[in-house]
Amino acid sequence: GEQVEQRPPHLSVREGDSAVIICTYTDPNSYYFFWYKQEPGAGLQLLMKVFSSTEINEGQGFTVLLNKKDKQLSLNLTAAHPGDSAVYFCAVRGGGSALGRLHFGAGTQLIVIP
Amino acid sequence: GGIITQTPKFLIGQEGQKLTLKCQQNFNHDTMYWYRQDSGKGLRLIYYSITENDLQKGDLSEGYDASREKKSSFSLTVTSAQKNEMAVFLCASSIGGQGIERLFFGHGTKLSVL
Repeated sequence: GEQVEQRPPHLSVREGDSAVIICTYTDPNSYYFFWYKQEPGAGLQLLMKVFSSTEINEGQGFTVLLNKKDKQLSLNLTAAHPGDSAVYFCAVRGGGSALGRLHFGAGTQLIVIP
Repeated sequence: GGIITQTPKFLIGQEGQKLTLKCQQNFNHDTMYWYRQDSGKGLRLIYYSITENDLQKGDLSEGYDASREKKSSFSLTVTSAQKNEMAVFLCASSIGGQGIERLFFGHGTKLSVL
């Protein structure tokens, strides 16, 4: 079945610097991809949902890139600020008919130092 | 907007004890989920339910029972708590159950077993 690896597990950057989190998946039939953000003591909040036909997806202060050839999904925060400090999870909807089956990465703890 | 409420926020149990976690949503969503979150392991699906009285096993269902009593509520039972177990249980809901919909998460129940 689908395997999702996320790296790095921990990331510290200075305010204003960029931050990159990468997920690698195994199922070439995967077709929906998600990034979620989890702030301390809170549930996960959707950052962006990406369909497989779109390689570059712009959000507010971040870009999500999908490289289907290498089966990689990345989250690029262009100029991080302290409010971006959180745990980030990617999630992948693999091919196949199993309902409800999203596969999550292990998460990246991002700390943005003022 | 809607909200997902998980109770209790913190749960301390004894080894071998049966423990029940509750989740309520007012989004009128059809599908509800229980995930387990362990440090460094991402989210793993325990059970999900695509409609009232429906129950589907996830990847981690052994040692758990679940019940979808009505559309708005989904409860999870740890059948026999394991000593030193520590995890966060997240409830989520979505409009459909295809794995392509946005998930809305509760804030979690943190379990500690003495």
